[in-house]
Amino acid sequence: KAGVTQTPRYLIKTRGQQVTLSCSPISGHRSVSWYQQTPGQGLQFLFEYFSETQRNKGNFPGRFSGRQFSNSRSEMNVSTLELGDSALYLCASSLLASGRGNEQFFGPGTRLTVL
Amino acid sequence: AQTVTQSQPEMSVQEAETVTLSCTYDTSENNYYLFWYKQPPSRQMILVIRQEAYKQQNATENRFSVNFQKAAKSFSLKISDSQLGDTAMYFCAFAPSGGGADGLTFGKGTHLIIQP
Repeated sequence: KAGVTQTPRYLIKTRGQQVTLSCSPISGHRSVSWYQQTPGQGLQFLFEYFSETQRNKGNFPGRFSGRQFSNSRSEMNVSTLELGDSALYLCASSLLASGRGNEQFFGPGTRLTVL
Repeated sequence: AQTVTQSQPEMSVQEAETVTLSCTYDTSENNYYLFWYKQPPSRQMILVIRQEAYKQQNATENRFSVNFQKAAKSFSLKISDSQLGDTAMYFCAFAPSGGGADGLTFGKGTHLIIQP
């Protein structure tokens, strides 16, 4: 079974631009969560989608948004990019919604650099 | 809100030695799950071991085992017979059970280096 895939793997943008990252979960998984990883803040939860609905959102500004499609693929969008948005963005999928201790399977991440 | 603390930013041991990584957490939840994830240089996070808080028995997965002390809110990871491939960042993570969970809360990580 194919793992979680994320595209693109690397991205360079300039301040003020917007960016869209994509995540394809493991086949059959309905929950997709997004995390931001930086050296300073570590791993921080962005949001979770389950059956096309956002279940939870972490403490991030409204510039960070996402959506999930009927095939469970998910996208996250960051508008008006800031230098501090430079990070590794990780996507994780699980069979069921969070809160049940399900294993989350992580993708390889998208490395976003904002210049 | 819950917090997860890993007090050892970096550890280095010789191959074949046993090493223990520390993790403490703070929560008001009674039912929850704890995890150890491994992130090798390739950056792909991998689940190492999982513990359900209501289970008193410590989880084990081959060379990996945990020491879960619920009252002390401590969840350490023991790696026996360490191997070069165990070199990685190790993250302790917490997830409350029930609906409305806020994803995984991670500690800052411990960089484990296995020396040949």
